[in-house]
Amino acid sequence: DVKVTQSSRYLVKRTGEKVFLECVQDMDHENMFWYRQDPGLGLRLIYFSYDVKMKEKGDIPEGYSVSREKKERFSLILESASTNQTSMYLCATDTDRGFVNYGYTFGSGTRLTVV
Amino acid sequence: LAKTTQPISMDSYEGQEVNITCSHNNIATNDYITWYQQFPSQGPRFIIQGYKTKVTNEVASLFIPADRKSSTLSLPRVSLSDTAVYYCLVGDSRSYNTDKLIFGTGTRLQVFP
Repeated sequence: DVKVTQSSRYLVKRTGEKVFLECVQDMDHENMFWYRQDPGLGLRLIYFSYDVKMKEKGDIPEGYSVSREKKERFSLILESASTNQTSMYLCATDTDRGFVNYGYTFGSGTRLTVV
Repeated sequence: LAKTTQPISMDSYEGQEVNITCSHNNIATNDYITWYQQFPSQGPRFIIQGYKTKVTNEVASLFIPADRKSSTLSLPRVSLSDTAVYYCLVGDSRSYNTDKLIFGTGTRLQVFP
C-alpha cells in the first residue's frame, strides 16, 4: 500500500511565522496535492504538482506556496501565517499509470493552529 | 463552485442498506466518479470508483445510470463503524483542470445501534 506521511500531526504557530508542512510518499506517484479542510466547507484544493519542480494553483492558493524538489516530497509553505489559515491540511497522491485512475491516497493530516 | 451535490446527512440503523446519491450534472466524457470515506481526524480513504453502469467491491457498490449525471453509493448492511463522512468526487486528475478536483461538503452518515 502507498504510504503518505505528513511530518506533523498537530502544529501551533504564531501569526507572521513562516510555516513548512511536509509530505512524503513512498510509492513513486507522479501527482501530489495539498488540500485544506474546514468545517462546513469540505476539502479545498490549495496546490498540486504532477512532476518534480512543477506546480499548479488550486482553488485557494493565496497565502501559500509549494515546493517539489524530489518526486517523493511535496512541501506546503505558509509565507506569513495568519489566523485564518488555522485548519486541517491534507496531502494526497495519485498516479497516472494505466488507463484507470485509482483515486487519491491521503495522509493523516496536519492540524495547524495559528495564534 | 461545487461540481457535485450530496445530501448533508443521513441516518441509518445497523444491518440496513444505505444508499447515498451524488448529482453531477456537468460530468465530462473523461471523468470518473470516485467515492471516499473519512473518519474524524483522518484523511479520506478511497472506497470505490466507476465510469458507468455498476461497480462492486468488497466494501460497496456504485451505480451509475446511462446519462452519468448522478451516481449512488450503496453500503450493504451497515455497522456502527460505517459512521463517517462520504465524499463524491467527479473528475480526472490527469486533466489538470482544478475545477475537476473539488470535493463537496460530503454526506455525514450516522449509524445507530
